[in-house]
Amino acid sequence: EAGVAQSPRYKIIEKRQSVAFWCNPISGHATLYWYQQILGQGPKLLIQFQNNGVVDDSQLPKDRFSAERLKGVDSTLKIQPAKLEDSAVYLCASSSGLAGAQYFGPGTRLTVT
Amino acid sequence: GQQVMQIPQYQHVQEGEDFTTYCNSSTTLSNIQWYKQRPGGHPVFLIQLVKSGEVKKQKRLTFQFGEAKKNSSLHITATQTTDVGTYFCAGRSTNAGKSTFGDGTTLTVKP
Repeated sequence: EAGVAQSPRYKIIEKRQSVAFWCNPISGHATLYWYQQILGQGPKLLIQFQNNGVVDDSQLPKDRFSAERLKGVDSTLKIQPAKLEDSAVYLCASSSGLAGAQYFGPGTRLTVT
Repeated sequence: GQQVMQIPQYQHVQEGEDFTTYCNSSTTLSNIQWYKQRPGGHPVFLIQLVKSGEVKKQKRLTFQFGEAKKNSSLHITATQTTDVGTYFCAGRSTNAGKSTFGDGTTLTVKP
């Protein structure tokens, strides 16, 4: 069974530029999560989808971050404009249900200079 | 909002020694999950606990869920160098429904 796919793996941008990350979950997983993980900290939930609907986006900085999962399968997370403090690893995870085990992708390491 | 605290932040052990990490939530949980993240890697699911007082074992790993469903622990017996990594708990609150991760306990093992 293929795991969660993410791209790109690494991205370096200057502040005020925009960036987009892509995630393809495990086939059949209805729940998709985007997390931000800053070095030395645990993953922080940005947004959670159930199929193509948003379950929770209470910690998403909506003035600069957006995410979509239009067809209920793959998803994109965008940052525009980026700030220095957005430097982190962005992890995508999926699960078969709202309370199930989460399976993480390899993440995208973002560096904002 | 819900807070999940883990202690200790770091633990250095000699190979063969035991290791325990503790997870405490500010709210009652519907379930708790444990993950392991190797250096440079991504979190990998280990186990989920649902019932009050539940104890589950995976080889040398023992997971417990507190009676009040507000705390949990992970105990590793006779650590090996392959146990190196950061162990995270993620607690799902009964009302909010979303999981909150702790900041993890980083385990290093000296051979």
